[in-house]
Amino acid sequence: DAGVIQSPRHEVTEMGQEVTLRCKPISGHDYLFWYRQTMMRGLELLIYFNNNVPIDDSGMPEDRFSAKMPNASFSTLKIQPSEPRDSAVYFCATKRGGGGYTFGSGTRLTVV
Amino acid sequence: GQQVMQIPQYQHVQEGEDFTTYCNSSTTLSNIQWYKQRPGGHPVFLIQLVKSGEVKKQKRLTFQFGEAKKNSSLHITATQTTDVGTYFCAGPYYGGSQGNLIFGKGTKLSVKP
Repeated sequence: DAGVIQSPRHEVTEMGQEVTLRCKPISGHDYLFWYRQTMMRGLELLIYFNNNVPIDDSGMPEDRFSAKMPNASFSTLKIQPSEPRDSAVYFCATKRGGGGYTFGSGTRLTVV
Repeated sequence: GQQVMQIPQYQHVQEGEDFTTYCNSSTTLSNIQWYKQRPGGHPVFLIQLVKSGEVKKQKRLTFQFGEAKKNSSLHITATQTTDVGTYFCAGPYYGGSQGNLIFGKGTKLSVKP
């Protein structure tokens, strides 16, 4: 089991550019979560899916953020246009049923 | 809104000393989970507690869930340098057993050899 796979590991982009973060969940996990982690705010839930369907996107900060899960094997988080305040580590996490989360290694995003 | 609070925010100990972090929820929780994040790493699931007053041990780590299911603690006996990291507690939103978790801000542990 390769775990939750996120790409890229690091992303540096200029303000105004589009950024796409990718996540491949563990096979058989029916929940997928996108979190953002910063020193100031800790771990913040952005959005989560159950069986590929978005359940709660109330944590998505603005319309600049969007997430999709077209199938059980893939999810994306897109920021368009990006801003310096979006700089953070973005984690994808998955779980099966009521169990604990398995986090990916994260994407460290820097917007300059 | 619902909150999960952890204290202390930071803890510096000498290797061999004990360490405890406390977690308090503003609402009753159906379960509580604990995670560890090493510096530069990602959170890793440690354990889930479900029953009121439950105590579970993992080697030198002891986890406890309060009787009222609103608080929890993690105690590490005789810390080692491998224990360095941030420890998070997390509980389901509004007492739910499925779906998303709300995480505390974590306790960052440093261990001086």
